[in-house]
Amino acid sequence: DSGVTQTPKHLITATGQRVTLRCSPRSGDLSVYWYQQSLDQGLQFLIQYYNGEERAKGNILERFSAQQFPDLHSELNLSSLELGDSALYFCASSVGGLNPGELFFGEGSRLTVL
Amino acid sequence: DQQVKQNSPSLSVQEGRISILNCDYTNSMFDYFLWYKKYPAEGPTFLISISSIKDKNEDGRFTVFLNKSAKHLSLHIVPSQPGDSAVYFCAASVPASINDMRFGAGTRLTVKP
Repeated sequence: DSGVTQTPKHLITATGQRVTLRCSPRSGDLSVYWYQQSLDQGLQFLIQYYNGEERAKGNILERFSAQQFPDLHSELNLSSLELGDSALYFCASSVGGLNPGELFFGEGSRLTVL
Repeated sequence: DQQVKQNSPSLSVQEGRISILNCDYTNSMFDYFLWYKKYPAEGPTFLISISSIKDKNEDGRFTVFLNKSAKHLSLHIVPSQPGDSAVYFCAASVPASINDMRFGAGTRLTVKP
């Protein structure tokens, strides 16, 4: 158990819809990262928040947005969903700051767009 | 852009033998490298890391080798055990930051009893 909690674990929805994925980081971790893993692809970095503020942006579509709340949990919002958005979405957390270190991943949210 | 590449999607080895997983990178600014292990229905978990100031880091049965001139790193597992069967991701990050950690596509290791 990494200590990172993601909900929901599975989600099936239709094209054009909007969904919200939620992540609770490990206790004490200030940084939250979102990654997307499509079929046979590596983990694609989407976005990172540190203590409520956006810290870095990766290959995140304009239809996607995220935020980190005062209690440090984070939500990833995916809108105008397309078939190609079907993927595993991982949240990870770390203490943050400038020191390199490991990320602690949640179990992922599997999104299926029909 | 595939800055971190794992060219072997799968690897199968016999229990007790050595497993060697390879990873290549293109960005010479990367200076911190990690390996993550992922079981089905679980998130990736950190396995071992190496900083660019080293060329080898060992932790029990796991050793990571870094060849900076070749922009290549490898993970050796000796001896391999059936419980090591998982997908292994190589990751790299730029100096003093893991804000933009780049991952490879992963290699599925199967260790046969």
